[in-house]
Amino acid sequence: DGGITQSPKYLFRKEGQNVTLSCEQNLNHDAMYWYRQDPGQGLRLIYYSQIVNDFQKGDIAEGYSVSREKKESFPLTVTSAQKNPTAFYLCASSIGQGVQPQHFGDGTRLSIL
Amino acid sequence: AQTVTQSQPEMSVQEAETVTLSCTYDTSENNYYLFWYKQPPSRQMILVIRQEAYKQQNATENRFSVNFQKAAKSFSLKISDSQLGDTAMYFCACRHYGGATNKLIFGTGTLLAVQP
Repeated sequence: DGGITQSPKYLFRKEGQNVTLSCEQNLNHDAMYWYRQDPGQGLRLIYYSQIVNDFQKGDIAEGYSVSREKKESFPLTVTSAQKNPTAFYLCASSIGQGVQPQHFGDGTRLSIL
Repeated sequence: AQTVTQSQPEMSVQEAETVTLSCTYDTSENNYYLFWYKQPPSRQMILVIRQEAYKQQNATENRFSVNFQKAAKSFSLKISDSQLGDTAMYFCACRHYGGATNKLIFGTGTLLAVQP
C-alpha cells in the first residue's frame, strides 16, 4: 500500500545533540512538508519542498534543516540551535497544486533527555 | 496574513446525535481551498472533507458535511449520527489556490468527545 512512513516513532535528544527524523513516501508525490505540533496549537509549517533538490523555509524554520536529494525522502534535522524541540512532528506529502489534499505520516514524538 | 480560527477548544456529543464544529478564516485571496482534518488518539492526520471556495455547493462525505459561507468566511463541519470512532481532534485548514506553495494554515483544533 502507498503511504508515508515516519521513523522513529519516539526519539530522545540530549542537550547539544543534532537528531534526524526520517520521512519516506511511495506515493510519487512531488511536494513534501514538515510540521510541528504542540499542545493547544495547530500544526505549524517548518519546511516544505515542491521538487527534488529544492526546499523552502516555513513559518518556524529556525533551528531545523532539511534535504531533498530524492523524491521519496525528506529528512528533517533538529539541530542544537532549536532550544525547545520537544514536540510531535508530522511529515506530509501532496501531488502538488490544486485541491489535492496533503497525506500525513504517523508522526514522531521528540523529547529532550 | 492568512489565519484560521476554531473557537471551540472542546465539545461533547452523545452517540447518534449531530454536532457542528465551527471554523472561521481570514484571507484576502479569492481562490482557496478549505479542509477538515481529523486526528484520533493515534495522532494520524486524516482528511475528512474538502471544499473549493469557488463552489457554492456545500461538500458532503457520508455523515460529514460542511456549511460554507464565503461572505462570512465561515466553514463549519457537521457530523451526523455521531459514532464513538469520531472521537478525535478536528482541525480546520485553509490553502490558497495557485500560490507558490501548497501551504496549509491550520486552526488550533477542537477536541470532540462522543459519549456512549
